[in-house]
Amino acid sequence: DGGITQSPKYLFRKEGQNVTLSCEQNLNHDAMYWYRQDPGQGLRLIYYSQIVNDFQKGDIAEGYSVSREKKESFPLTVTSAQKNPTAFYLCASTTGGGNQPQHFGDGTRLSIL
Amino acid sequence: SQQGEEDPQALSIQEGENATMNCSYKTSINNLQWYRQNSGRGLVHLILIRSNEREKHSGRLRVTLDTSKKSSSLLITASRAADTASYFCATVDPGAGSYQLTFGKGTKLSVIP
Repeated sequence: DGGITQSPKYLFRKEGQNVTLSCEQNLNHDAMYWYRQDPGQGLRLIYYSQIVNDFQKGDIAEGYSVSREKKESFPLTVTSAQKNPTAFYLCASTTGGGNQPQHFGDGTRLSIL
Repeated sequence: SQQGEEDPQALSIQEGENATMNCSYKTSINNLQWYRQNSGRGLVHLILIRSNEREKHSGRLRVTLDTSKKSSSLLITASRAADTASYFCATVDPGAGSYQLTFGKGTKLSVIP
């Protein structure tokens, strides 16, 4: 079945530690996205990538980094510079930009130890 | 920045009743999309309505769009307990980069059996 796989489902970060969230898709989609969701809130865009080896900052990119070396993979690193990383992180992909629906993974919940 | 604002923030109804959720936005749009999120899961796309469309149906869902009022509504008819979820509207602002969706904070719908 085609879809988006995020791992791990739960992740804990220690002070000063970088952690990486995985996002893999087998939908052959060109564009991929990372969102952050805080309790009772909507989604805020962290980074997005339209094609391999290219990505753009979203509204809240500070303290995060991404790479897009392969079409199917778009990992997100939460760096130690992100002082409030506790949130639900969602990865999405789409085939045709904003005029097509986005397909979402089931998220990674990140907490601070 | 979050453009869409859903109303109400929370809605509780009996099974079999209709549920109406509203979304208002601030700038011009290419399209408006509605998504559903079950607790602890990713978002699922429900329906996309383009700026030149006024109404769209999908099963028990009916979406309207009034670009003059910058508002949209989602109607779920004959609700079921399985419709319990949060519902988000998302807009594509042609001026902000056609790959970016901007989400509202959502309406939390509870359908009581």
